[in-house]
Amino acid sequence: EVQLVESGGGLAQPGGSLRLSCAASGFPFSSNAMNWVRQAPGKGLEWVSLISGSGDKTYYADSVKGRITISRDNSKNTLYLQMNSLRDEDTATYYCAKNLGQWELLQPFDYWGQGTLVTVSS
Amino acid sequence: DIQMTQSPSSLSASVGDRVIITCRAPQSISTYLNWYQQKPGKAPKLLIFAASTLQTGVPSRFSGSRSGTDFTLIISSLQPEDFATYFCQQNYNVPFTFGPGTKVDIK
Repeated sequence: EVQLVESGGGLAQPGGSLRLSCAASGFPFSSNAMNWVRQAPGKGLEWVSLISGSGDKTYYADSVKGRITISRDNSKNTLYLQMNSLRDEDTATYYCAKNLGQWELLQPFDYWGQGTLVTVSS
Repeated sequence: DIQMTQSPSSLSASVGDRVIITCRAPQSISTYLNWYQQKPGKAPKLLIFAASTLQTGVPSRFSGSRSGTDFTLIISSLQPEDFATYFCQQNYNVPFTFGPGTKVDIK
């Protein structure tokens, strides 16, 4: 059974940093690209970032480019999101999501974690 | 960025009703359109991908279709567990963008 479990959310000050983690199990982790998607309270879904299965290709939304870094450790079956220079508008539930297929592009997200809440406030 | 639109933004329906939700792309995205269902406090769930392919385990009352840049999600006979918010998503181009959502609630 595929499981994705996020952690690392919490309260951070504007300008601060947080690192989110997503522990994966139940599938060959290194074979699938992974994504982070966020949802501000009461709002819609916003794709944040994508990383290829090997970790050599990354993609970012313009809203986070330069402030957020996606990475993965395939030996630990874990996906990360390093968030720096946090802003109020980064307040959201952050979900990790697995690509259906092996390619990083043109793929739907077939499994999602339960999400971790990041609150940016002074 | 490809800005997806959805209509209606919300609807009220009864159990057994046929429900139609529309998503429109401003340019061609081929069939790279997915539908997700989200219930309050839960993660989104993939229902349909590639415009019309039913994800494994999803009931056959859900279906999807495409006409040019217009995409449709149909629930043929609404069940109590289908009251939720539905999002479309294009995965044709980065950034992958979602529609604003359609909330389906009980009439």
